[in-house]
Amino acid sequence: AQKITQTQPGMFVQEKEAVTLDCTYDTSDQSYGLFWYKQPSSGEMIFLIYQGSYDEQNATEGRYSLNFQKARKSANLVISASQLGDSAMYFCAMRDCPPQIDQFYFGTGTSLTVIP
Amino acid sequence: NAGVMQNPRHLVRRRGQEARLRCSPMKGHSHVYWYRQLPEEGLKFMVYLQKENIIDESGMPKERFSAEFPKEGPSILRIQQVVRGDSAAYFCASSTAQETQYFGPGTRLLVL
Repeated sequence: AQKITQTQPGMFVQEKEAVTLDCTYDTSDQSYGLFWYKQPSSGEMIFLIYQGSYDEQNATEGRYSLNFQKARKSANLVISASQLGDSAMYFCAMRDCPPQIDQFYFGTGTSLTVIP
Repeated sequence: NAGVMQNPRHLVRRRGQEARLRCSPMKGHSHVYWYRQLPEEGLKFMVYLQKENIIDESGMPKERFSAEFPKEGPSILRIQQVVRGDSAAYFCASSTAQETQYFGPGTRLLVL
């Protein structure tokens, strides 16, 4: 079964608007972490934001926020005030933590294009 | 503080040759992970190593692929007798224990 599902292969957003990138996950663990990474056309993977399963508050990092809905197993990324430089692939990832194992599972990504 | 370093950034090999990919983790990080990204896909976990130990290699193909993280020096991902299907971007990430993984710039392997 897919651990991480990103259902939006591509998204468009007008510059300065907000956009939400969807991510749902599947785990039976109580303790896990959720991450978002950005991959621009240059190819590197840039860490954006982290949410722990026990965190009560939604994570925020500058213009990025993570809309964490534990009961629905969703961890959507919200980018506010989009900029042209936000155009990139965005990957949602989960780390679940059975003992001794520390794997990341990645979704298939969402390609975001910011329109001037 | 230098980030995760990977070299080479691009590697071209002919079928049957060996590919060696190197990864130097961030300073202070003792956990190294290797991932493969095929075109138009997300990253797939390959192997997780700590110094001198392979912790989890459940994502590694059973043949031709091996990884090490010696006491001194970088982590090495080795692919023997490469085939066209090995063409991909290979990313290394490092972390402290069970914390956020930080990725290197990747090595793009092209097998002719």
